[in-house]
Amino acid sequence: EVKLVESGGGLVQPGRSLKLSCAASGFSFNDYWMGWVRQAPGKGLEWIGEINQDSSTINYTPSLKDKFTISRDNAQNTLYLQMSKLGSEDTAIYYCASVYYDGTYYYEGVMDAWGQGASVTVSS
Amino acid sequence: DTVLTQSPALAVSPGERVTISCRASESVSTLMHWYQQKPGQQPTLLIYLASNLESGVPARFSGSGSGTDFTLTIDPVEADDTATYYCQQSWNDPLTFGSGTKLEIK
Repeated sequence: EVKLVESGGGLVQPGRSLKLSCAASGFSFNDYWMGWVRQAPGKGLEWIGEINQDSSTINYTPSLKDKFTISRDNAQNTLYLQMSKLGSEDTAIYYCASVYYDGTYYYEGVMDAWGQGASVTVSS
Repeated sequence: DTVLTQSPALAVSPGERVTISCRASESVSTLMHWYQQKPGQQPTLLIYLASNLESGVPARFSGSGSGTDFTLTIDPVEADDTATYYCQQSWNDPLTFGSGTKLEIK
C-alpha cells in the first residue's frame, strides 16, 4: 500500500523558516517524481513544485521559487520542503504527492497518491 | 499562468447526472486531470489526461474535452459524491488548479 506521511508542521513566527518532511512507503520511491501542493484555509489547491528521481530537475511555481526549496533523500525514502521567510499567506495545509507512473510512462503533473497533509500556521 | 475556471457550486439529487465544467484560459491539449476532495481529507485522483479513469474509481465518473473546455460527469450521482472537485492542467508551466466546484447532494 502506497503511504505518504507528512510531518514537521506547526506554528511558526513570521519571517522564520520551517522544513517539512514526507515519509514514503509501499512503493519504489526512487523511481518516482514527487511534488508538493498546498491549500490555504477554505481555499483551493496551489501547486508548489516537483522533483525528479535523482534531484537533477526541480520545478517550482514562480511565485514561490525564491522562498521554498524541494529536496529528497532516496536512501531514506523521504521528500522535503524547506520554507523560508514565512508570512501569514503561507498558512496552509501542505500535501506531498507522488506523480503517476505506470511502470513505463511518467504522467507529468498527475498526482495519484497524496499524504494526509501537514498544517502550517504562520503567526506571532 | 493558465487560469482554470470552474463554477463554484452545484446541487443535485441522488440518481441524477451532473456535469462539472472547467475552462482553460489557453489550450492545455488533453493534459487536464480531475481530483475529488471530501471535507477534511486529502484530494484523490479521479481522471487523468482528460478522459482516463484512475484505477479503483467507479465507472460512474467520466471525463471529456480537449483544448480549453473540459467536463467531468458523474452518472448517476450518489450521496457519497459530496465533495469539491478540482481540475488541474499540466500542459503549461506552472501547473495550475481550478478554484474547485463544490457538489452538494440534496
